[in-house]
Amino acid sequence: EAQVTQNPRYLITVTGKKLTVTCSQNMNHEYMSWYRQDPGLGLRQIYYSMNVEVTDKGDVPEGYKVSRKEKRNFPLILESPSPNQTSLYFCASRGRGSPLSTDTQYFGPGTRLTVL
Amino acid sequence: KNEVEQSPQNLTAQEGEFITINCSYSVGISALHWLQQHPGGGIVSLFMLSSGKKKHGRLIATINIQEKHSSLHITASHPRDSAVYICAVRGETSGSRLTFGEGTQLTVNP
Repeated sequence: EAQVTQNPRYLITVTGKKLTVTCSQNMNHEYMSWYRQDPGLGLRQIYYSMNVEVTDKGDVPEGYKVSRKEKRNFPLILESPSPNQTSLYFCASRGRGSPLSTDTQYFGPGTRLTVL
Repeated sequence: KNEVEQSPQNLTAQEGEFITINCSYSVGISALHWLQQHPGGGIVSLFMLSSGKKKHGRLIATINIQEKHSSLHITASHPRDSAVYICAVRGETSGSRLTFGEGTQLTVNP
C-alpha cells in the first residue's frame, strides 16, 4: 500500500530538548516536503527536497533542519524547540512528473507537537 | 493580501445540495491542488490541475488560468463530505513550493 508514515504521531516535550520527527515513503518519490498547520494560518511549507541530498527552504524554515540521505526518508529536526513550534506537522511526497502530470501529493498522518 | 484566497470560509449545506468552493490566486502557477482534510486531521489529495476540468465521482474541479481562479464542486452532497477543503498552488518559478489557502470548512447536514 502506497503510504507516507510519520513518527511519532504525538509528542510533548520541553523547550530546548532536541527532537526528530521521522518521515518515510514507500513510493520511490523524488519530492518530499514538511508542512506545519496552525489555526488561522493554514498550512505552511517548512522545507522541501527534490531528491537525495537536495533540499531547500520553504516559507517558514527558521528553527528547523532537514536531511535527505536516502530517497525514502526525510526527517525533520528541531535542534532547540521553542513553544512557538507547537503545531501539527505533516510530511508529504510526490513523484517527479512534469508540471502537467497528474502526480498526487501523498500526506502522512500528521504529528502533533507540543513544546512546553 | 494572501497569494491564495478561498471562499467561503465556512459553508453549511443540506444533504443533496450542490456545493461550490472557490479559490483565487495572484501568481502565475504551474499547478493547483485541491486537498481534503478530515475531522481527524488526515489530508487527502483530491485533484491536481493545470488546465481545464477534472472529475472524480461526485467531485469536479475546474481551473481558469487566465482569470487565476479555480472551483471545486460537490454534487449530491452527503454528510461524509463534511471536511475542510484546501486549495494550494505551485508557482511557476517556485519549484516544489506550495502556497496554501486557509481552507473552507464544509458541513453537510442530513
